[in-house]
Amino acid sequence: DAGVTQSPTHLIKTRGQHVTLRCSPISGHKSVSWYQQVLGQGPQFIFQYYEKEERGRGNFPDRFSARQFPNYSSELNVNALLLGDSALYLCASSHQQGSTYNEQFFGPGTRLTVL
Amino acid sequence: AQSVTQLDSQVPVFEEAPVELRCNYSSSVSVYLFWYVQYPNQGLQLLLKYLSGSTLVESINGFEAEFNKSQTSFHLRKPSVHISDTAEYFCAVSSSGSARQLTFGSGTQLTVLP
Repeated sequence: DAGVTQSPTHLIKTRGQHVTLRCSPISGHKSVSWYQQVLGQGPQFIFQYYEKEERGRGNFPDRFSARQFPNYSSELNVNALLLGDSALYLCASSHQQGSTYNEQFFGPGTRLTVL
Repeated sequence: AQSVTQLDSQVPVFEEAPVELRCNYSSSVSVYLFWYVQYPNQGLQLLLKYLSGSTLVESINGFEAEFNKSQTSFHLRKPSVHISDTAEYFCAVSSSGSARQLTFGSGTQLTVLP
């Protein structure tokens, strides 16, 4: 079975540009979360979506937005890129059924470099 | 709010020696605790987790971690490491009431030397 897939794997942008990152969850998973991992740091939670609705948001500026599609895939959008947005962006999917624990499975990430 | 502190950013150890990677957390509510491993240029893989029950949890590749509520710790240990254990290890926490948002520590780079 395919795991979580993300595209593109690498991306280079310049300051002020806009970027869209894509994530396909594991088949049957309805929840997608996004994390930002700056070099040398642990991942930081950005968003969580379930059934196309935002269910959680981390401490990130409004330049960051996301959405989830009917097939449960997701896009992360970042506007007006800053040098500090350079990071590995990780997507994770889970079943999220009820309030019990659901393991999050991570994709390989998209490496964004802002010049 | 929750936070995770990994006390060592880098841990070098010789092959077949024991290792302990330290993790302390802060939370005002009940938590789930996790250790993830990240190999170079890869995403995160769940190594082991504590949800409830026995405070000692084990992974299939010989790692174990013990949840200590009084010390708010979840240290990771392995009695004998291999070269292939070289990786970045992240401790993470989530509240047991909403187990979807993970709060990660800053990571510990474990380097196993021959």
